[in-house]
Amino acid sequence: DAGITQSPRHKVTETGTPVTLRCHQTENHRYMYWYRQDPGHGLRLIHYSYGVKDTDKGEVSDGYSVSRSKTEDFLLTLESATSSQTSVYFCAIRVQGDTEAFFGQGTRLTVV
Amino acid sequence: QQPVQSPQAVILREGEDAVINCSSSKALYSVHWYRQKHGEAPVFLMILLKGGEQKGHEKISASFNEKKQQSSLYLTASQLSYSGTYFCGTVATGANNLFFGTGTRLTVIP
Repeated sequence: DAGITQSPRHKVTETGTPVTLRCHQTENHRYMYWYRQDPGHGLRLIHYSYGVKDTDKGEVSDGYSVSRSKTEDFLLTLESATSSQTSVYFCAIRVQGDTEAFFGQGTRLTVV
Repeated sequence: QQPVQSPQAVILREGEDAVINCSSSKALYSVHWYRQKHGEAPVFLMILLKGGEQKGHEKISASFNEKKQQSSLYLTASQLSYSGTYFCGTVATGANNLFFGTGTRLTVIP
């Protein structure tokens, strides 16, 4: 299995509070991605990174920010959590453009 | 930029065949296929690169028509273990991002 760990695995937070999810890899893969999964919407790309300090927005980036200061860590921050951000969040990593993605086990976030 | 998958859901009896389709409005460099079991992370099945190559994985194979920006996943002689949600992922030519479709829920019954 690819060495990719997400933390926390579950979190309940209140509306308006900041939340940071962490994705940690031990594979030294260049590309890292954050997705959210909601019923009827599949996996939607939030942000991705193609190297340290190189990040870009995906299709549902509003309300989210990311940082990648080290190759192994990709952080997803909800600046002020809203109920619409209740979801399962997956991190994925890839070596390069023509290779498969490996997914973390997911973080279930509930905003109340 | 999500690719479009069809059908949304399909129910099969063991031994039957199924086809899942994926299409994109973008010129594609690669198409990925993943399967996700309930409560688990998606797992890679196969990747098809620009060039129209067909690939196989046990009784699961896929094709990629780069002219039409379409891919199809073929499941033959389905088994109970094939149940899950199947996602196609696409990488556009010249891009780094990987977009996924909305998924196809496949249920295989005895």
